[in-house]
Amino acid sequence: KQEVTQIPAALSVPEGENLVLNCSFTDSAIYNLQWFRQDPGKGLTSLLLIQSSQREQTSGRLNASLDKSSGRSTLYIAASQPGDSATYLCATRGSQGNLIFGKGTKLSVKP
Amino acid sequence: EAGVAQSPRYKIIEKRQSVAFWCNPISGHATLYWYQQILGQGPKLLIQFQNNGVVDDSQLPKDRFSAERLKGVDSTLKIQPAKLEDSAVYLCASSLELQEYNEQFFGPGTRLTVL
Repeated sequence: KQEVTQIPAALSVPEGENLVLNCSFTDSAIYNLQWFRQDPGKGLTSLLLIQSSQREQTSGRLNASLDKSSGRSTLYIAASQPGDSATYLCATRGSQGNLIFGKGTKLSVKP
Repeated sequence: EAGVAQSPRYKIIEKRQSVAFWCNPISGHATLYWYQQILGQGPKLLIQFQNNGVVDDSQLPKDRFSAERLKGVDSTLKIQPAKLEDSAVYLCASSLELQEYNEQFFGPGTRLTVL
């Protein structure tokens, strides 16, 4: 059974700092891995999707990497801004199509 | 392109009452998912539809939860009777097909509080 873990559970950084969020998973037989952002009281916004055959994806200041063999993914945020404050969730997708989520990392970027 | 729509956004009920949530997926999306997100946790799949057929409902508490997607478009999730532990955000998501590369798009969710 797939288990997804995110470390740290919470992170506070000053504005402008580069940061890395970590995601690990126990079963490497995934089809893809997706990073989401969740603002308080809101739904999930997809940030990046990495297919199992890919190593990384980039969108603006965000870069996500995937290492299936070690069961790890990282989300790199460059030059963080207060508007980046949110909870970041990673999720793996298996053969049935459903997503298995981690508990998330709550990010706070201080002005 | 319109996103996934859900209603209501908030619902407060007492235990043992019934409640229903509605979801309208993105137009043309064949696959629809219902997730439950308890405070401090990641979302957990309750049920997955492909058109109007159920693909996976293994984690749906069938003694109290039911869901349907009668014309392969809109879906309704019902809880009857509700328990305190059902307090959560219920998220609906949709994707084009049940293929591994298809991205899931989420609605804003319905926040349920059971008193």
